Amino acid sequence: ETGVTQSPTHLIKTRGQQVTLRCSSQSGHNTVSWYQQALGQGPQFIFQYYREEENGRGNFPPRFSGLQFPNYSSELNVNALELDDSALYLCASSLGLESDTQYFGPGTRLTVL
Amino acid sequence: AQTVTQSQPEMSVQEAETVTLSCTYDTSESNYYLFWYKQPPSRQMILVIRQEAYKQQNATENRFSVNFQKAAKSFSLKISDSQLGDTAMYFCAFMSRQGAQKLVFGQGTRLTINP
Repeated sequence: ETGVTQSPTHLIKTRGQQVTLRCSSQSGHNTVSWYQQALGQGPQFIFQYYREEENGRGNFPPRFSGLQFPNYSSELNVNALELDDSALYLCASSLGLESDTQYFGPGTRLTVL
Repeated sequence: AQTVTQSQPEMSVQEAETVTLSCTYDTSESNYYLFWYKQPPSRQMILVIRQEAYKQQNATENRFSVNFQKAAKSFSLKISDSQLGDTAMYFCAFMSRQGAQKLVFGQGTRLTINP
C-alpha cells in the first residue's frame, strides 16, 4: 500500500510569483486535506476536497486554491506569493467523510524570498 | 470555534522514564475526536493515538496512553518506557464530527529523550 506522497520536497519562490504543490493520496482514499505549518507552529487547515469538490475551507484568502482529480490526487495553488506564505505545506488523505483518521504526507517546504 | 492549547513548549526526560504531555481544548460540541500526532525531524506527521469523545475508556497503543477528562476538556498523553526514537514534536488535535473533517492543532510540545 502506497502512502501519501507530495512533490516537490522543497521549493523557493520570489514574492508575487505563483506556485503549485502536488499530493497523491493513499490508495483507496477519496478525501484530501491541506494544511499550512509555519515554523514553530501547529498546522492550520487550508481546505479539504472530497470526490473532486471542495468540502470546507479554513481562514485563508482566495489566492489559495485547489483541485482534486478523478484519481483523487490534489493540487494546492497559491497566487501572488507573500513572504508570510513561507511554510511547510502538508497534505493528508482519508477514507471518506465518515473516517476520522487522516494520514499525512512528508510535506513541501516553501520558501518565499 | 474550537481551540487546542498545549502549555508545555518543551520537555526533556531520560530514556526509560515516563513522561506526560498536557493538552486542553475548548468546544461546545459533545461528540468529537481527539488525536495525538508525532512529528519527528523528518517532518512526517504520524498518528500516535486517537480518542472518540463518546467513549469513556481511555485509549492505549502499546507504550502510549491517554487520560481523557471530558468535563475538564483535558486530553493528556502518557509515554511509558520512553525511547530515543520518541524524540519529536507532539501535537494534540481536535476534530469535530460536524462539517468538514478538519483537524485543529495545538502549538506543539517538543519532547527530547536523553540517553
